[in-house]
Amino acid sequence: GQQLNQSPQSMFIQEGEDVSMNCTSSSIFNTWLWYKQDPGEGPVLLIALYKAGELTSNGRLTAQFGITRKDSFLNISASIPSDVGIYFCAFYAGNNRKLIWGLGTSLAVNP
Amino acid sequence: NAGVMQNPRHLVRRRGQEARLRCSPMKGHSHVYWYRQLPEEGLKFMVYLQKENIIDESGMPKERFSAEFPKEGPSILRIQQVVRGDSAAYFCASSPGTGSSGNEKLFFGSGTQLSVL
Repeated sequence: GQQLNQSPQSMFIQEGEDVSMNCTSSSIFNTWLWYKQDPGEGPVLLIALYKAGELTSNGRLTAQFGITRKDSFLNISASIPSDVGIYFCAFYAGNNRKLIWGLGTSLAVNP
Repeated sequence: NAGVMQNPRHLVRRRGQEARLRCSPMKGHSHVYWYRQLPEEGLKFMVYLQKENIIDESGMPKERFSAEFPKEGPSILRIQQVVRGDSAAYFCASSPGTGSSGNEKLFFGSGTQLSVL
């Protein structure tokens, strides 16, 4: 079946540092999505990528859709305490809007 | 401009009881999705519904689980005769249904945490 490998599993950084995390897959996808989940809340969409090679920014967040369409990375610049949470990559499987999720990268920021 | 509303936020049931989880989609959204999340895992797709229709239930366990999205009222995820393994966070998402299958944006509720004693 389709699988997503997300790394690192967790990160602990100092406020102000930049962060990078990535997702790789065994299959080719047409869409990559990055979500953030705060404790006790549902995921919130951060960035959606639709084309190979696409580089998209959302404030301090930047994400890229790999040329091979099998990977994507998310960068966070100048991290702040409210960046704490779990970051998930996801993709659409099939024709029925079913999202397949990675296991997440847990980010902790030390003020 | 309310988002996706789920209730209750927390639900405690004893083994063998029934659990009913409710989801009201965002205004104007006619598509609803249910996902389950175990601790330290990603979300797992359960079911996709449109008004009065189940479109894809490939992620639903064959027994004890059912979902509906009636013409009027919220979507309901129903778990009969709950067991301890049903303990998880259940998230509902909604979308307007105007995008294609590859670019529809889903908006998630805050989830219902089900605990089975």
